[in-house]
Amino acid sequence: GAVVSQHPSWVICKSGTSVKIECRSLDFQATTMFWYRQFPKQSLMLMATSNEGSKATYEQGVEKDKFLINHASLTLSTLTVTSAHPEDSSFYICSAGADYEQFFGPGTRLTVL
Amino acid sequence: GENVEQHPSTLSVQEGDSAVIKCTYSDSASNYFPWYKQELGKRPQLIIDIRSNVGEKKDQRIAVTLNKTAKHFSLHITETQPEDSAVYFCAANYGNEKLTFGTGTRLTIIP
Repeated sequence: GAVVSQHPSWVICKSGTSVKIECRSLDFQATTMFWYRQFPKQSLMLMATSNEGSKATYEQGVEKDKFLINHASLTLSTLTVTSAHPEDSSFYICSAGADYEQFFGPGTRLTVL
Repeated sequence: GENVEQHPSTLSVQEGDSAVIKCTYSDSASNYFPWYKQELGKRPQLIIDIRSNVGEKKDQRIAVTLNKTAKHFSLHITETQPEDSAVYFCAANYGNEKLTFGTGTRLTIIP
């Protein structure tokens, strides 16, 4: 299957700071990538769909000004959590789609102190 | 949007026995139903998927069945082994490639 990488794998930051997470498709081009958030012992919740060359589409209830998504190339999407607060602490996972199937990155564990 | 329900939330099975996890979906337009296995702190791994033009698919000890009329699909694991212990998620697509995930089933295989 296709390979998706994510960086960093974990990050700890102070409340009020911004954190950028990168998602790369290593061996295929992805016009669409997805960002999920997963709280402990819960399911994956889709936050937004990242579209190469255009604005991201956010799911209901997700603040687009807080979670900035940029999909500048066919292999890279970034998620920036702005002015992070402790309630933003979670496991963030990206995926890249190809013919319905989604390939997931290894995830980024964000802890906001 | 799509709504996916998954049952049971936890399942304990004796090693060697079979495990069945069931999901229902709401959007009749959904046509792709993957199952993922997720170990603690790791990414979801696709273990099997099925598209709406077939009713059953099998891959060694794992099988998935789909009933489009009733809008439900199930995961069957036979001859369970300790390494099958994990959290399993079903999903259904909507809006082309978007996926809605079920709430997950924590499967524990008892040696």
